Amino acid sequence: AQSVTQPDIHITVSEGASLELRCNYSYGATPYLFWYVQSPGQGLQLLLKYFSGDTLVQGIKGFEAEFKRSQSSFNLRKPSVHWSDAAEYFCAVGAGNTGFQKLVFGTGTRLLVSP
Amino acid sequence: DADVTQTPRNRITKTGKRIMLECSQTKGHDRMYWYRQDPGLGLRLIYYSFDVKDINKGEISDGYSVSRQAQAKFSLSLESAIPNQTALYFCATSDPRGVETQYFGPGTRLLVL
Repeated sequence: AQSVTQPDIHITVSEGASLELRCNYSYGATPYLFWYVQSPGQGLQLLLKYFSGDTLVQGIKGFEAEFKRSQSSFNLRKPSVHWSDAAEYFCAVGAGNTGFQKLVFGTGTRLLVSP
Repeated sequence: DADVTQTPRNRITKTGKRIMLECSQTKGHDRMYWYRQDPGLGLRLIYYSFDVKDINKGEISDGYSVSRQAQAKFSLSLESAIPNQTALYFCATSDPRGVETQYFGPGTRLLVL
C-alpha cells in the first residue's frame, strides 16, 4: 500500500533563510505527487504537483519541489522564506488506477518562521 | 467567491446527536470527497463519490454516512456523534480529466462533547 512520510513534525526557519521540507513516499509505480499548504483557519491550497516530465517542478508562492525516484523523495524548497509562509505543509501521493488518484497524505510539517 | 464551500464552519454538539455537514461546489467537478484531519495523523478519507449514483467508502467510514444530492452537493452525516469524532472535516472536489487534482474547502471544525 502507498504511504507518505514527512519526518519533520516542526521546523523553524529564520525569515529570509532557505527552506527544505522532506517527503518520502512508498508506491510501486510512478506516483503523482502533491504538496499542499494549510494556513491557520484555512483549507488546503495546492502548491504544486508532479506527474511526469521535468523532475523539478515550480509552484505558487515561490516554492519548488524535486522528484527523485532513486530516493523516493519529493522535497519542497523555497530559497527565501517570508513570515507569511508559516503554515502546515502536507505532502500527498496520488496512487491508483488511471482516472482515479486516491490521495494518501503525510502527517504534515508545521513551519514556524522566526524574525 | 469560494469554489468549495462548507457549512457550518464550526459546530459543537453532544454525544448521541445527529449532525450533518454540508459541502457545495461551483467547480463543476463530478468527484467529491470527505476527509477528516486529526493532529499528527494528516488527512484520512471518509467517503468519496464519482457522481450522484456512485458513492464509495474510504478508509474510515464507520460511524459516518453521506448523501450526494446533486453534482454540486455532498453531505456528511454523523448519525450518533461520539467524542472521538471531534476533528476538522474537509470536503474536496476533483476533475478526472488530465492530472486529477483535488481542491479543498475551508473545513468544518467539529467538537463532540
